[in-house]
Formats: sequence, C-alpha cells, structure tokens
Amino acid sequence: EPEVTQTPSHQVTQMGQEVILRCVPISNHLYFYWYRQILGQKVEFLVSFYNNEISEKSEIFDDQFSVERPDGSNFTLKIRSTKLEDSAMYFCASSDRARETQYFGPGTRLLVL
Amino acid sequence: GNSVTQMEGPVTLSEEAFLTINCTYTATGYPSLFWYVQYPGEGLQLLLKATKADDKGSNKGFEATYRKETTSFHLEKGSVQVSDSAVYFCALTSSASKIIFGSGTRLSIRP
Repeated sequence: EPEVTQTPSHQVTQMGQEVILRCVPISNHLYFYWYRQILGQKVEFLVSFYNNEISEKSEIFDDQFSVERPDGSNFTLKIRSTKLEDSAMYFCASSDRARETQYFGPGTRLLVL
Repeated sequence: GNSVTQMEGPVTLSEEAFLTINCTYTATGYPSLFWYVQYPGEGLQLLLKATKADDKGSNKGFEATYRKETTSFHLEKGSVQVSDSAVYFCALTSSASKIIFGSGTRLSIRP
C-alpha cells in the first residue's frame, strides 16, 4: 500500500540554525500538508499546499517557515532560524482531493537545543 | 471557529472491556469526521471516518456514528485488546485544507 515517507526520523539542531524536513507524499496525490505536535499536546495544522502554492496557513506558520515542492516527488518544510519552541514532531500528509482523507507520514522529531 | 472536544484521558481498561471515547464538535457547514490513532512511537493512522450525518464509520472492531443532532462522533469498541493501547484523536475537516484535531485520549489496556 502506498504511504507517505519522511526524513529524517529524528533531528537535533542548535537554536538559530536552519532545518529542512523532507517528505515524499503518495505519488498520485495533489494536496500536501504539514502539521506539528508539541510533546503531550494536540496535533496542529501548519500549512496546506496545492498547485505549487500555499492554500492555507495557520498563525504558527510565520516568516520563519517555508514550504517547497522542489521536484515531482518531494515536499519540504524549512525553518529558517529555529527556536527552542520549534521542538516538536512534524507530520507531513497528503490527499488526492480536497476534503478527502489525509494520509500521514511517520513524522520527524525535531529537537532544538 | 471549528473545534473538537474529546474525553480527557488517560483511560485504563481491562482486556475485553467495552470502550467509549466521547467526542463532540463545533463546525459550520457539513464537516467530515475522523478518528485517528497513534500507536507508541509511530505516526498518525486513520482509524475510521464518516462524511455525512448518520454515517457509521468502522474498522478493526471500532465504530463511530456521525450524529448531527448532538454534534457528536463517539468512538466505541465492544471488546478491547492490549494491542489497542494507543492515543486516539477525534478530528474534523470542513475546509478544503486542514484537519482540526482534538487533544487526544490515551488508552491503556491491562491484560
């Protein structure tokens, strides 16, 4: 069964450094998403992406964040200058149509020191 | 705005017990409703969904019915197993873009 994959599974970085989290969505899907889950808290929406542009973003998704689909398969989330409070599990998801089921990757656990 | 409220955890049950995890929602329009499960150390997996009022979603012995009159989508299972131990998230989507999750309910099953 097709699945969403994410790399790396874990990343440790120093405050102020840039990180890029990578995702490979399911191949025929057109809608892509990033969510995050701070330890012990609820899963929060960050951004959605369709047709090479952002469809919707949350208040969390400020100027430090950006997303890109650099080729036909990868979907990336970049954090330009990480803060301690960016430490979280980041989930990528994809769906084939709007409002259809979103399929989640296993997540990248980011720790900012 | 749209929101999901679910039963606080943790919930601890003995094997073969009956499970109910309550979930209510607030939404404009006609949302789709979901239950996602997160097993220890893993990502989010879709457990079941319902897209319109009175629909029943079911999977792996779990069921939930979309009740528009009570704005609820309670998760039930008749006989839980140790392998059901996980965190369960109720969620909705009403826009084209995002899922709104509840806070999650941690379920532990004793052998």
